[in-house]
This record gives sequence, C-alpha cells and structure tokens, in this order.
Amino acid sequence: DAMVIQNPRYQVTQFGKPVTLSCSQTLNHNVMYWYQQKSSQAPKLLFHYYDKDFNNEADTPDNFQSRRPNTSFCFLDIRSPGLGDAAMYLCATSRDTSSQYFGPGTRLTVL
Amino acid sequence: GENVEQHPSTLSVQEGDSAVIKCTYSDSASNYFPWYKQELGKRPQLIIDIRSNVGEKKDQRIAVTLNKTAKHFSLHITETQPEDSAVYFCAASRVFGAGNMLTFGGGTRLMVKP
Repeated sequence: DAMVIQNPRYQVTQFGKPVTLSCSQTLNHNVMYWYQQKSSQAPKLLFHYYDKDFNNEADTPDNFQSRRPNTSFCFLDIRSPGLGDAAMYLCATSRDTSSQYFGPGTRLTVL
Repeated sequence: GENVEQHPSTLSVQEGDSAVIKCTYSDSASNYFPWYKQELGKRPQLIIDIRSNVGEKKDQRIAVTLNKTAKHFSLHITETQPEDSAVYFCAASRVFGAGNMLTFGGGTRLMVKP
C-alpha cells in the first residue's frame, strides 16, 4: 500500500516555465520534507514543514517554494526552472523525530 | 553545519561475503544515524537506524555500530546476496522537536557478484 505518494512520477517542463510537484501521505505524519537528488549524488534537504511551520534550508534557492494546505498534502513549486534544476525530487515524512519515509520521487526534466 | 563522509564510494564483493561501509560525522550533537538503500530509479528505503544512546543494533543480516567518541558509524551486511546490490547512504541528524534534519553521506555503490 502506497504511504507516501508523489505526482507526477515524471515531469517535463521548459526552461523558465513554472512547475508544481505534489506529495501526499496516508501516514498522518506531522513532518514533511522535500529533497533534491541529482544523478549519482545524495539527497539534499530543501525545506521541511513541521505541522504548518515552514523551515527553509539556508542554501535553498528562492526559486523553490513550498505549500502545505493540510496534513496530508505538500507541494513543491519551482518558479523558473533552470537546466540545473533537473533532478529527482523526493518527498519524505516523519512523525516528529521518528524515521523518515520517502516517496517514489518525481523526475524533473528541463528542456 | 553537519558534514558526513562515507567510504568506500564503490564496493564489490562475492556473494556470501560480508560488506562494511563506514561513515564519519562532524557535529558531536548529532544523535540519530539512519541507513538507506536505494536501487536504481527507486526511492531511498530505510534499512536500519541507530540513536546515540545505543552502540550497536542488529536486524537479521544487517548491523550498525556507532562510536560516539570517534564520531564513526558503520553498516555491516553479512552473507551478501545479489539483491543487496544498490547504493547505500548513511545520514546523521541532530534530533530536536521539529523533526530530523538529515545530512547524507555521498553514498556507496555495492555490487554483489553471484
């Protein structure tokens, strides 16, 4: 049973065209995270929500924004995608400080 | 901030042999250390984790050891099987009220030869 769901699984966008990636979870976890993973690299934390509180990593570009309208859903908005933003975007969730569980990811291609 | 170094970057073993992957971390305040397995094109999957009040944890063929003094932790896989082939990531985190802020190591590509 899918617990952390990401849509779409594959997204193609054009340089500069805004894109939104979606994450939903059925675990009722209060913390949701967004990571960027480039080819052959480790996941890098972009930001996270603790309940409704948004926490941005210091080196996350302003081009990346996030929304969490309710406990189950979280969105990643890339306002003006550049070629360097092509990557796998991973959503993860946790209950407070418990283990993080990852979704299947959205692979973003920027043309 | 935290910095996690992981070695080796690639590891090739014969089926049935053991595999050991080592990580070091920089922030002495880190107190949570998970290990993830990621197959090509798939999500990272948590395989084992350890908190700083424990020195060793085992789950079937997988064990993790932690040396807080030296800021080292290691993953041990015994009786390796071809399906263990994947990229393994260690991570370190300082646990506080707002969740786990994971810093990942660079990953180890494990290849188990039949």
